[in-house]
Amino acid sequence: DQQVKQNSPSLSVQEGRISILNCDYTNSMFDYFLWYKKYPAEGPTFLISISSIKDKNEDGRFTVFLNKSAKHLSLHIVPSQPGDSAVYFCAASGWNSGGSNYKLTFGKGTLLTVNP
Amino acid sequence: DTEVTQTPKHLVMGMTNKKSLKCEQHMGHRAMYWYKQKAKKPPELMFVYSYEKLSINESVPSRFSPECPNSSLLNLHLHALQPEDSALYLCASSQADRGRTDTQYFGPGTRLTVL
Repeated sequence: DQQVKQNSPSLSVQEGRISILNCDYTNSMFDYFLWYKKYPAEGPTFLISISSIKDKNEDGRFTVFLNKSAKHLSLHIVPSQPGDSAVYFCAASGWNSGGSNYKLTFGKGTLLTVNP
Repeated sequence: DTEVTQTPKHLVMGMTNKKSLKCEQHMGHRAMYWYKQKAKKPPELMFVYSYEKLSINESVPSRFSPECPNSSLLNLHLHALQPEDSALYLCASSQADRGRTDTQYFGPGTRLTVL
């Protein structure tokens, strides 16, 4: 059962335009959502996060939107740059019932290609 | 500073070898993680250490043996691996303040090839 879904395996946009990456989740116990960027053969780099008590978080060119009722979040990159080309993973987390572990669940990733 | 370091960067080993992967962080984080990532797949959690105690083992085969010598270091001991264990092994750490949201920071990974 895939609790975090990224339904678009790839996305291609022109430099300077907006990139919108989408993510859906099923577990209503998730309370914190993160986006990671990953280049081949490197570790994921933390990009931006949002708590479930917010609906928007902005950091420079990156904005994450959360729609709790739809269990949907999206990452907007404006303007997109060729260096943004990478795989973007959506991840969701929450404490387990014993409060001992804060486990991260990843989506399968979306490959973003920004064309010059 | 959100740096997690991992050594070695690349490792090639035979199925009878014993080797270790190392991970280090100096952010004062109290949770450390091992993940395995195959090509075109998301990272898969293997182990979690919380306050230097093993708190999650995701049914990982015993040929992988984690160790947390202190709050800054995490090792993964490898013995009698199979070729299908070839993957990128990622270490991560997080603050693990109970009751608060927790961001995991990843190292660059060790690319392991089992011949």
